[in-house]
Amino acid sequence: AQSVTQPDIHITVSEGASLELRCNYSYGATPYLFWYVQSPGQGLQLLLKYFSGDTLVQGIKGFEAEFKRSQSSFNLRKPSVHWSDAAEYFCAVAPDSNYQLIWGAGTKLIIKP
Amino acid sequence: DSGVTQTPKHLITATGQRVTLRCSPRSGDLSVYWYQQSLDQGLQFLIQYYNGEERAKGNILERFSAQQFPDLHSELNLSSLELGDSALYFCASSPSWSNEQYFGPGTRLTVT
Repeated sequence: AQSVTQPDIHITVSEGASLELRCNYSYGATPYLFWYVQSPGQGLQLLLKYFSGDTLVQGIKGFEAEFKRSQSSFNLRKPSVHWSDAAEYFCAVAPDSNYQLIWGAGTKLIIKP
Repeated sequence: DSGVTQTPKHLITATGQRVTLRCSPRSGDLSVYWYQQSLDQGLQFLIQYYNGEERAKGNILERFSAQQFPDLHSELNLSSLELGDSALYFCASSPSWSNEQYFGPGTRLTVT
């Protein structure tokens, strides 16, 4: 069965520092990949998605993610975090557009001033 | 603003009661999904409807049911409520050609 792993439950980063959130999946072919962000008390917002093509994907709020087939990973990055980036981040995958999203457990990002 | 609306925003009720949560998808989206999010269980997929028909079922309890109406809005019915049902309930919608989901702001249910 397909699964998604976000190995870090919490990550603490200083404001202005770079960020990388990890996401690994188990699936044989290239899945559809998503990153969502949930600010406190809010719904989830789509940050970016990958279906095919260029493996480096740009999203909203200055985020990017890179699909690495050899590592079954889709890590989320940001060169310089802002205090407003403090939130929970969820990775999700699906075999194709007809299937349910399978969700990771989420990573809570804490920003140090 | 994702375009998905959910009502009510907050709901406080007692154990044993029944409640109905309502969701209106984005204009043109045919799929509606329901999720439960609690501190101990994380984000749990409950059920998906596509154009009025149930398409996928997740970890939905028998006490819970949902439906999607001809105008595509959806309702999630929770009955015989227990303390453990206290959670955030999210609705999401997606267009017919994609499974990228757009989430509503959620309904916070508190069972006392």
